[in-house]
Amino acid sequence: TQLLEQSPQFLSIQEGENLTVYCNSSSVFSSLQWYRQEPGEGPVLLVTVVTGGEVKKLKRLTFQFGDARKDSSLHITAAQPGDTGLYLCAVRVRDSSYKLIFGSGTRLLVRP
Amino acid sequence: SAVISQKPSRDICQRGTSLTIQCQVDSQVTMMFWYRQQPGQSLTLIATANQGSEATYESGFVIDKFPISRPNLTFSTLTVSNMSPEDSSIYLCSVFSGTAEEQYFGPGTRLTVT
Repeated sequence: TQLLEQSPQFLSIQEGENLTVYCNSSSVFSSLQWYRQEPGEGPVLLVTVVTGGEVKKLKRLTFQFGDARKDSSLHITAAQPGDTGLYLCAVRVRDSSYKLIFGSGTRLLVRP
Repeated sequence: SAVISQKPSRDICQRGTSLTIQCQVDSQVTMMFWYRQQPGQSLTLIATANQGSEATYESGFVIDKFPISRPNLTFSTLTVSNMSPEDSSIYLCSVFSGTAEEQYFGPGTRLTVT
């Protein structure tokens, strides 16, 4: 059973369109992170959300943490081909291990 | 920040053989992790590499199959033993800064087992 379920699994859209990616769980988290991974590279941190209901913006990307801190969304406005990649939500286990657990992932393809 | 390099970047191996992947970090880090990414999938944590002690493995991963060494705070190795085609994946090394809540990843080692 996946701790973090992402939807959709795959998204193919035309340049200029808007899209939303969801990350859901039945567990409550103290914080949640979003990463983007491009082919041949490791994931790169985009944002960390901490407070329930928090909204953070990174240029055309808007991240929201659910009020109950169980879910999160990533909205991209006017997608560009450079946004193509694998988007991953992740949470850190708050024990002595500090391990990072990833969601199932959303693969985005933005066609020119 | 931390810069992580991995060797090799890719390899094609025959079943039954073993491959050791090296991970080098440009600064001392406490937390170091190894992940596996199967084709088209997300990242799955294999183990936490502990400096000076045995690695801590996640459910489904065992030391005999994935022995890990961590001789110091900047270096670790992951060995994939007695490989089968199911081991074909990207293996990524990762470090956690702790104070800055940032986690950094190496570029990965793409392994194909034939």
